[in-house]
Amino acid sequence: KQEVTQIPAALSVPEGENLVLNCSFTDSAIYNLQWFRQDPGKGLTSLLLIQSSQREQTSGRLNASLDKSSGRSTLYIAASQPGDSATYLCAVTGNTPLVFGKGTRLSVIA
Amino acid sequence: DADVTQTPRNRITKTGKRIMLECSQTKGHDRMYWYRQDPGLGLQLIYYSFDVKDINKGEISDGYSVSRQAQAKFSLSLESAIPNQTALYFCATSGSGTGELFFGEGSRLTVL
Repeated sequence: KQEVTQIPAALSVPEGENLVLNCSFTDSAIYNLQWFRQDPGKGLTSLLLIQSSQREQTSGRLNASLDKSSGRSTLYIAASQPGDSATYLCAVTGNTPLVFGKGTRLSVIA
Repeated sequence: DADVTQTPRNRITKTGKRIMLECSQTKGHDRMYWYRQDPGLGLQLIYYSFDVKDINKGEISDGYSVSRQAQAKFSLSLESAIPNQTALYFCATSGSGTGELFFGEGSRLTVL
């Protein structure tokens, strides 16, 4: 059974800092990995999708990497801003629909 | 208008009542999903459907049923609601290509 873990569960950083969020998964036979952002009480917004044949994807200040062999993905956020404060979730698709981690709650302090 | 629309957005009901949550999408996707989110437990898959004639149980399907009325519509029913079904429910869709998942805004259900 696929299990997805995100560490840390919560993170607080000062504005302007570069930061890395971590995601690990137990079964490397995945089709893709997706990073989402969730604001309190809201739905999930897709940030980046990395297909299994890819190593990374970039969108603006966000860069996500994927290492299938080690079962790890990282989400790098450059020059963090208070508006980046949210919960970030990763999810993997393999032989079953997406399995989610529990998320990292990020607070960026002005 | 949102690509994935859930109704109602908020609902308070009593134990034993039948509740239906509806989801419609304009993305033209074949695949639709219902997830439940509880604080500290993350998102758990309830049911999913890869096309109109395909329905599959997820990891927490007990106490729930679904209906795929059309490609664009997927509803979730609680036949007899109980308090531990109080949660935030999300509908999601994906295409068969990349499999990228798109979510609705959620339906907050409270069972008293």
